[in-house]
Parts: sequence; C-alpha cells; structure tokens
Amino acid sequence: QQPVQSPQAVILREGEDAVINCSSSKALYSVHWYRQKHGEAPVFLMILLKGGEQKGHEKISASFNEKKQQSSLYLTASQLSYSGTYFCGTEYGGATNKLIFGTGTLLAVQP
Amino acid sequence: DVKVTQSSRYLVKRTGEKVFLECVQDMDHENMFWYRQDPGLGLRLIYFSYDVKMKEKGDIPEGYSVSREKKERFSLILESASTNQTSMYLCASSSPGQRSLNTEAFFGQGTRLTVV
Repeated sequence: QQPVQSPQAVILREGEDAVINCSSSKALYSVHWYRQKHGEAPVFLMILLKGGEQKGHEKISASFNEKKQQSSLYLTASQLSYSGTYFCGTEYGGATNKLIFGTGTLLAVQP
Repeated sequence: DVKVTQSSRYLVKRTGEKVFLECVQDMDHENMFWYRQDPGLGLRLIYFSYDVKMKEKGDIPEGYSVSREKKERFSLILESASTNQTSMYLCASSSPGQRSLNTEAFFGQGTRLTVV
C-alpha cells in the first residue's frame, strides 16, 4: 500500500528548482506532504484534496492528479533551509482513516 | 504549544524482552499512529487507533501490539523483542477534518530502539 516517491535523493544548489513525485497503486482520497530535518520529527507542509487542487506554502507548492493517482511537490528557488527528507502521506478513504507514508525523498541544498 | 511526547529517546533491550513504547498527546486528537522509520523504507505504519480501545493494523503489524485505554495515550508493545525490530519508532496524532480524513499530523521526537 505504501506510495512510491521519486527521486530517492536529489542534490541542488541554492536557487535551483526540484520536483518530488508521489505515486500510488490505489485511488487516493487526499495527499499530505511533510518535511523531516535531520534528527527532528516530520513537520506538516500541506494537504491536497480530491479535485486536482494545487496549493502553495512559501516557495513550495504541490499538485494532486486523482486520475493518475499521483501528487507532485514543487520547490522553487531552493534555500538551504529546504534540506531534509520529504514524505508524502496518502489517505485512501473507505472505512479507514489510515495515513500511509511514502518511501521518502532526501533533498540536500548546497551553497 | 501542541505536543506529542514519547517516553524515551533511546532504548536498549535484550532479545526476547517485552518492550513498551509510550506516546502521549495533549491535543485531544482522535487519531493516533505508530510508525517505524528505516533507511530507504520511509515511514511504515505499524498500527493506527481512531478512538479509545479501537485499533487497526497497518502494513507491518507482525510482532507488535498496541493499547489505547485513554484518549491521550497510545502504547506500542513488542511482545518478544527481536534484533530485526531495531529501528526508529515515531508516534503521531491528528484529528479528522471536514474534507480530509486527517488534518495536520503531529509527530513525537521518536524512540531509537536497539535490540541486542
């Protein structure tokens, strides 16, 4: 059930852009995005709901394509503070409120 | 300041021991989760609880059980610890939303468990 994230890791220089993808084999009800800095707990970034919406958070935005069962996280003009591991969390609806997280994407932003 | 508190940051136990990991949240959240974090595998759901005394298995429940006797407390139990249960364990809590099944999930700082 665990969604698959790609790429597994990415290295950027400050100011560069990145895209992180989250793909599910099951129909998605909604998608969460979280960032975990080294040695810290994951922290919530945003939720995307059915309807193909796109949301933004500072220079970080995301899209949700229900038909493709996929979400993408866009990081523009990356900053050193964006470094960390990004996780998508997926909800499938039905009779359960489970929140299932993906395999994670390690993002390293260098000066 | 909202909080999810896990009882230990680091724990070392012997093979075969019964291990209790405790998690307490002060946000009156209905949903509580236990995840296991291993390199390259992301966050894997062990168990989930949506109400007191209610639980659901996650993707990797084998070797684990849970207890939720009070709304604020969710315990993970390793019945007989084994070396392959050496990992980082993360607890999280959230509430159901109007349009999503979970609103923002808050995580504890994690418990690094080593089984020797």
